[in-house]
Amino acid sequence: QAQLVQSGAEVKKPGASVKISCKASGYTFIRYNIHWVRQAPGQRLEWMGWINPGDGNTKRSQKFQDRITITRDTSASTAFMELSSLRSEDTAVYYCARPLAGGDYVHWLDPWGQGTLVTVSS
Amino acid sequence: SYELTQPLSVSVALGQTATINCGGSYIGSKSVHWYQQRPGQAPVLVIYRDNNRPSGIPERFSGSNSGNTATLTISRAQAGDEADYYCQVWDPSDVVFGGGTKLTVL
Repeated sequence: QAQLVQSGAEVKKPGASVKISCKASGYTFIRYNIHWVRQAPGQRLEWMGWINPGDGNTKRSQKFQDRITITRDTSASTAFMELSSLRSEDTAVYYCARPLAGGDYVHWLDPWGQGTLVTVSS
Repeated sequence: SYELTQPLSVSVALGQTATINCGGSYIGSKSVHWYQQRPGQAPVLVIYRDNNRPSGIPERFSGSNSGNTATLTISRAQAGDEADYYCQVWDPSDVVFGGGTKLTVL
C-alpha cells in the first residue's frame, strides 16, 4: 500500500528557508509524480508544484516560482520541497501527495502525506 | 487564473442526501476531483474525473459535472461524513482547489 511520510514540524524566522522531506514506500517511486500542497490556518488547499521523480523535471505554481525548489533522491525514495524567503504568511501545513495513477497529467491525488506544520515567526 | 466557488457550509440530516456544488466557468469541460478532509487530517480523495470512486470509498459518494457546476452527492449521510470537502481541477498552468465546504450532519 502506497504511503508517504513527511518530516517533522519546523519553526523558522522570517527570511529563512525550510526544507521538507517526503519519503515514499509501497510503490515504485519513479513511476509517480510527487505534488506539494499547502494549507494555511483556516484556508483552502493551495497547490505549489510537482516533481517527476523519474527524470527530475518539475512544474511550479507561478505564485511560488521564485521561492520554491523541488528535488528528489531516488536512492532514498524521497522528495524534498524547499521554500525560501519565508514570511509570516507562509505559516501553514505543507503536504506531499501522489497522483492516483502515473503520468504527468494525472493530478488527482491519493495518497497524501501526514502534513508538516511550518511556523514562521520572529 | 481559474477560480472555483463553493458554499462555505452545507447541512444535512442524518440519513438524508447532501449535495455540495462547485462553480467554475465552463467547468463541465474539465475533470473535477473531490477531497474529504476531517479536522487535523490530510485530505482524502473521494471522487476523481467527475464521477469515479477510488477503492475503499463507499458507493454513497457520487459526482456529476455539467455546464458551470460540478456536484458532489453524499447519500444516506452519516456522522462520519462530517468534514470539509474540496473540489479541484487542472487549469492549463495550475492545479486549482475550491475554497472548501464544511458539511454538518445534523
